Amino acid sequence: EAQVTQNPRYLITVTGKKLTVTCSQNMNHEYMSWYRQDPGLGLRQIYYSMNVEVTDKGDVPEGYKVSRKEKRNFPLILESPSPNQTSLYFCASTTLGGGGNQPQHFGDGTRLSIL
Amino acid sequence: AQSVTQLGSHVSVSEGALVLLRCNYSSSVPPYLFWYVQYPNQGLQLLLKYTSAATLVKGINGFEAEFKKSETSFHLTKPSAHMSDAAEYFCAVSEAGGSYIPTFGRGTSLIVHP
Repeated sequence: EAQVTQNPRYLITVTGKKLTVTCSQNMNHEYMSWYRQDPGLGLRQIYYSMNVEVTDKGDVPEGYKVSRKEKRNFPLILESPSPNQTSLYFCASTTLGGGGNQPQHFGDGTRLSIL
Repeated sequence: AQSVTQLGSHVSVSEGALVLLRCNYSSSVPPYLFWYVQYPNQGLQLLLKYTSAATLVKGINGFEAEFKKSETSFHLTKPSAHMSDAAEYFCAVSEAGGSYIPTFGRGTSLIVHP
């Protein structure tokens, strides 16, 4: 089954304790992206990657890191989490064939609470 | 530059009534347009997309949307709402031949009353 898998689904942690949210896709997609969803603000892009070893900042990259060492994986790293990073996070992927006319496939989300 | 505006953060309808969710976009080149639905505790899933073929696009679950270039709109409709349609709906745009990075609207929460 084609899917984007995020882990964990839920996490409660404390300020300053490094954490990683994993994302993996099995569709051989070139493009992967991380979003955060906050009430009233919709989806905001954090980072994206067009291919292996190619990453770029989205609209709200501060406080986050990513890496793309393999095509299927795109982990999101919070090296020193703060309460304002409490949010619902989504990973998404798609193929670049078609020049942007392909939809994104989303994971089920990771709800992070930072105390 | 591209942008998306979804009018109304919440839309409330009665079961059986027409659903109309509004989306207006701006794009300097021909756009690709998408509607996604997000059910509680789930990720977004594609409802339908416009990619420069037919202007009236039919999607899953009885939804459809019409691309109107003159109005820069891509409104989502469904003739008769079901309780199961209650969800968050997102409109998104990307630019044909552009950087690919899509822009999402802020979402509209559809509430369906019995």
